Amino acid sequence: AQTVTQSQPEMSVQEAETVTLSCTYDTSESDYYLFWYKQPPSRQMILVIRQEAYKQQNATENRFSVNFQKAAKSFSLKISDSQLGDAAMYFCAYRGSNTGNQFYFGTGTSLTVIP
Amino acid sequence: GAGVSQSPSNKVTEKGKDVELRCDPISGHTALYWYRQSLGQGLEFLIYFQGNSAPDKSGLPSDRFSAERTGGSVSTLTIQRTQQEDSAVYLCASSLGQGSYNEQFFGPGTRLTVL
Repeated sequence: AQTVTQSQPEMSVQEAETVTLSCTYDTSESDYYLFWYKQPPSRQMILVIRQEAYKQQNATENRFSVNFQKAAKSFSLKISDSQLGDAAMYFCAYRGSNTGNQFYFGTGTSLTVIP
Repeated sequence: GAGVSQSPSNKVTEKGKDVELRCDPISGHTALYWYRQSLGQGLEFLIYFQGNSAPDKSGLPSDRFSAERTGGSVSTLTIQRTQQEDSAVYLCASSLGQGSYNEQFFGPGTRLTVL
């Protein structure tokens, strides 16, 4: 089965600064999709950004961008100009084209934003 | 439009009792997922429904767990003879279909506590 690893259980960042959350994954597939989800204390999971493996260009959504390194199987999330509302758990997720219907999630990184 | 809703938001039960958790997906979404999130853990896949196809039950941890989806819409996750290790947040998600690119929209979850 595919595995997704988030090696940073907790991270903190000063407001307005930049932080990078790491994610690595293990797969033998060549075509797949990667996602970052945010889970604030309300428990509501929200999609932050997604990346198709066949696209070399890194996805960007406003202050959120990814560094996708396919050969290294790495998919890090960069949050620029961090805001207090960014404080949450962040989960990296993988979904393959040939692995059926499952999403595979990492164990999450808890991000604290310091005012 | 309305998002994914789940009820109840919190459920406290005694060991050995049965519980039913409900999920109302977004209208028109044919795919529905159930996950379990234990404290400090990532999301554990439980079961997946896609349209009228047979559900993917490969994630159900034991035969005490079952789920159904009536009319391709509302889903109920049932846990029989609950155990303390069943205590967790149960998340439901729906998506437009089977395409790997389709993001999942999550409900707020049901926090189950088994005493």
